[in-house]
Order: sequence, then C-alpha cells, then structure tokens
Amino acid sequence: GAVVSQHPSWVICKSGTSVKIECRSLDFQATTMFWYRQFPKQSLMLMATSNEGSKATYEQGVEKDKFLINHASLTLSTLTVTSAHPEDSSFYICSARGGLGGRHEQYFGPGTRLTVT
Amino acid sequence: AQRVTQPEKLLSVFKGAPVELKCNYSYSGSPELFWYVQYSRQRLQLLLRHISRESIKGFTADLNKGETSFHLKKPFAQEEDSAMYYCALGGFGNEKLTFGTGTRLTIIP
Repeated sequence: GAVVSQHPSWVICKSGTSVKIECRSLDFQATTMFWYRQFPKQSLMLMATSNEGSKATYEQGVEKDKFLINHASLTLSTLTVTSAHPEDSSFYICSARGGLGGRHEQYFGPGTRLTVT
Repeated sequence: AQRVTQPEKLLSVFKGAPVELKCNYSYSGSPELFWYVQYSRQRLQLLLRHISRESIKGFTADLNKGETSFHLKKPFAQEEDSAMYYCALGGFGNEKLTFGTGTRLTIIP
C-alpha cells in the first residue's frame, strides 16, 4: 500500500517550453502532496506544499509563477515548469501524505528527471 | 527554524562491523524525527520513525532531546545496507519535513 507514481520518469525539453509532471497516489487519498527538487549528490529541497483544493504554499526563493502546482483531486497533483531554462534541469520528486501513515509520514514517488536543452 | 545536520557525507564500514550514522537537529518545538533510505536506483522510503521506537532491518535510532540527536545504529552491517540515508525532521503543527544532506553508506565486503 501507499504507492506514489510520477509521470513521466524522464523528459527532455527545449528551452522556453513548458513541462508538466504528474504525481499520483495510487491506493490512498493524499490530503497533502509535496514537491521537492534534488540536485546531483545533494539533499532534497522542498519547493512547495500542495493541499487538495487550495493554492500551493511555496518555499522561500521558489518562483510560484515558474513552478505552477495544481492539486485538483485527492490523488493527483501536477507540477508545471513554465518557460523552462537549462538551470531548471534537475530531479523532481513528489511525495504524498495521507492514508494510514502518521501526521508526517510521506510516501515518495520515483522522481522525474528533467533536462532542458 | 528547522535544521537537520548529517555531518558525514560518506561512510564506509566493513561487513559485520557496527554502523552509526549521525544526525543532529535544531527545532524549538516538539520534534518528530525520521530516517529515510534510498537504495541504488530506487525511490526514497521510510526506514524508521522515532515515535514507533521500532527496529527495521536491524537499525534502531533513539531520540536524545538533550543532545538534539537521532543517530541511526546497527550492530552488524550487511552488504545490502549500502545506500543513501537521510535524516528528516518534522514538527508539531508543521507538516513539512526538513531533510539533512544525507550520508552515503558503503559496506565493504
């Protein structure tokens, strides 16, 4: 139980285009989803917290107009990287909280590797 | 502010030897601490949480509020323990998790 999927697993796009990444909780309802960014050999950096039906809360320094988050249902959140640039190339990971886990227990997706050329 | 410090980026231990991965935290409220593990080419997964006081795969971790530490220990390392380990901190009334920078554990056969 508590499986989180991400799609796509990897994507290459040209500079200036937008890319959408989906995060789904497959067997539980996720009241909250989180989006992280991970640079090579570095830790996870929280980008934003997404609650179903409300606006996402972004961490300091994260541009909300560039990283659009939509949490339309209890099983789906999307992250859209708008007007992508090479510096946006990174590993994006989502996690979902809910189900039988404790208040803080998060279940992680496998990640999406974005390469912007 | 929440902060998690994992002082060792890399740790190599011989098979059968004891393992200790260090984690210190900074938080003014009541903390909840976790250890997450990421095996090669796999997603991050929860290893254990302090409130459960459990032992998973032979690993244990005790929350020491006086030293603000939550070190991960295992008495006898196994090769399959090689992975990236992250300590994470959550706080009451704050649903976010703050991750440490991680420690890459390599078990030498």
